[in-house]
Amino acid sequence: GQQVMQIPQYQHVQEGEDFTTYCNSSTTLSNIQWYKQRPGGHPVFLIQLVKSGEVKKQKRLTFQFGEAKKNSSLHITATQTTDVGTYFCAGREGPVWGAQKLVFGQGTRLTINP
Amino acid sequence: GAVVSQHPSWVICKSGTSVKIECRSLDFQATTMFWYRQFPKQSLMLMATSNEGSKATYEQGVEKDKFLINHASLTLSTLTVTSAHPEDSSFYICSQGRGGNSYEQYFGPGTRLTVT
Repeated sequence: GQQVMQIPQYQHVQEGEDFTTYCNSSTTLSNIQWYKQRPGGHPVFLIQLVKSGEVKKQKRLTFQFGEAKKNSSLHITATQTTDVGTYFCAGREGPVWGAQKLVFGQGTRLTINP
Repeated sequence: GAVVSQHPSWVICKSGTSVKIECRSLDFQATTMFWYRQFPKQSLMLMATSNEGSKATYEQGVEKDKFLINHASLTLSTLTVTSAHPEDSSFYICSQGRGGNSYEQYFGPGTRLTVT
């Protein structure tokens, strides 16, 4: 079945440093989504990428979808303490629309030294 | 504001008892909802897809007779953990998807189950 691998598992940075997490799928994805889960909280949707090579930005966050639609990355510039949490990628093989299930990566837990 | 609610938010039960978790869609009629389980510091594992008015679709390795799912209305799906054991202790989260070209899942706040 489909597998989504995410690295690194943990990342500790100094506030102000950059952070990147990588996601790789064993199969070609129709789209990939990114979620953030704060400690003790539930996952919150950040963004969805659909097109090959797509790059989207949300303030200090940059999301990229690979040309082959099998990998993705999330880069945070100049981290802040509010960025603490676990970042999950989630891939879908089915069509963009419709109730297709997501397969989540293992997540990258980001901690920040203020 | 929250679009998906879960009740209870946490529950402690004795081994052998059953626990029902409710997942409500507050502002959207969801024909499909998803149930996940998350162990501490681990990822979300999809347990089943809950379909309104029909049987749930369970993922491989998930016992359908142990994790009973009922999706009787467009706004309510329930997960019942039957004859719970300590190994069932986990964080159970439901989600609903919003269709169209921005298909994202809205997660409920989760239910932390502890079986003693």
